[in-house]
Parts: sequence; C-alpha cells; structure tokens
Amino acid sequence: DQQVKQNSPSLSVQEGRISILNCDYTNSMFDYFLWYKKYPAEGPTFLISISSIKDKNEDGRFTVFLNKSAKHLSLHIVPSQPGDSAVYFCAATMYSGGGADGLTFGKGTHLIIQP
Amino acid sequence: DTAVSQTPKYLVTQMGNDKSIKCEQNLGHDTMYWYKQDSKKFLKIMFSYNNKELIINETVPNRFSPKSPDKAHLNLHINSLELGDSAVYFCASMRAGGYEQYFGPGTRLTVT
Repeated sequence: DQQVKQNSPSLSVQEGRISILNCDYTNSMFDYFLWYKKYPAEGPTFLISISSIKDKNEDGRFTVFLNKSAKHLSLHIVPSQPGDSAVYFCAATMYSGGGADGLTFGKGTHLIIQP
Repeated sequence: DTAVSQTPKYLVTQMGNDKSIKCEQNLGHDTMYWYKQDSKKFLKIMFSYNNKELIINETVPNRFSPKSPDKAHLNLHINSLELGDSAVYFCASMRAGGYEQYFGPGTRLTVT
C-alpha cells in the first residue's frame, strides 16, 4: 500500500536544462512534504520542503510545487548541474502527529544529468 | 563533525545471531528514528523515539528493539537474525517542533 508514489524510476536531463521530478500521494492526512537527495552509500540529505498551506516553495535552484487537489507535488531544479545526479526521494508526514509517525517515502527517482 | 553517525557501516552475520547497530546524533535533537531500506529500495519507518514515547511500526517483528541510553543515542538490537533482515538501516533525528529529519550514512546488514 504505497501512500507516496514516484512513478519514474529514472530521469535523464541535459546539463543546464530544467529537471522536473514528480510525486503523488494518496493519504489526504499528509500535511507536510519533503524532498531528499541521496548519493550512493550515503544517507538521504534534506533538500527542500513545503507545508500544505502553501503551493510553492523556492530555495535557490530548487522549487517545490504542491497541488493539493490533485495530491501531487513536483520538484524543479533549474539549471541542472552534474552534481545534481543522485536519487531523489519524495516524503510526506502528518505534522500534526508531532513527528511520531516518521516520514513516508516514495521509491525514489534516479536523476542523471548528462553533460 | 558528523551530525548523525552510525556504526558499523557494514555488518555481515549468520542467521540466528544477535547483533546491534549504534546511532549517535550531536544535534541536540529530541526525537530519533530507525528506518529500513529493503531490496526494493523502499525506505520505511521502523521506530520513532523521544524521551517520552516509543512508537513502533506494527509491521516490525519483535525481534527488533530500540534501546536509548540517553537522548543522543538510539541503538537497534536485532535478535535471531533472518535472511529477510538483510537491508540498509538508517538512523535519523529531528528537533522538537521541526519537520526535517537528518539521516545517518546507513548500515548495510547482510545475513547469510
């Protein structure tokens, strides 16, 4: 029972172009969403997040968009750089739970930036 | 300074053995977690723990038990290891009132 879905296992983008990673969720109780980046043999690193009361959050080259009615969020990276090549995980939580429930992760999308 | 550290990085052991994985965070966070990443690459919560409460994911076998000697440490003990326990285990922590969790580098457990 996947509550957070990332339907693209991999994505290849040319350096300098925009990378768009997508995520869908099914649990309407989720009210906070996060993106993590993971390199091989390392732990996930927090990238950017968004609360359900917003529809956009921006941090430098990274922007996350949230469409609550569609239960969909996306991460935009522009311009894409070689160091962005990694696995990106979408995660969701019920902040009202105080963090006790932990994060629910998608399966990840492997982003490959082509020179 | 490593914010969340785990030892060992790799652990190879035989079925039936008992093993422990240690986790330490120097961030002063109040809540710590253990996650399991299985062969299908799903990261799933196993436990969350603060000084008040232990929350256990109902799907986690009782062979797994977290032990917290103090606020900065949350160790994972596994009894009677099984082949299906082979996975990467990640420790994480979060400050009170926060949203973001900070992860350790992971421990790759291989049960033979």
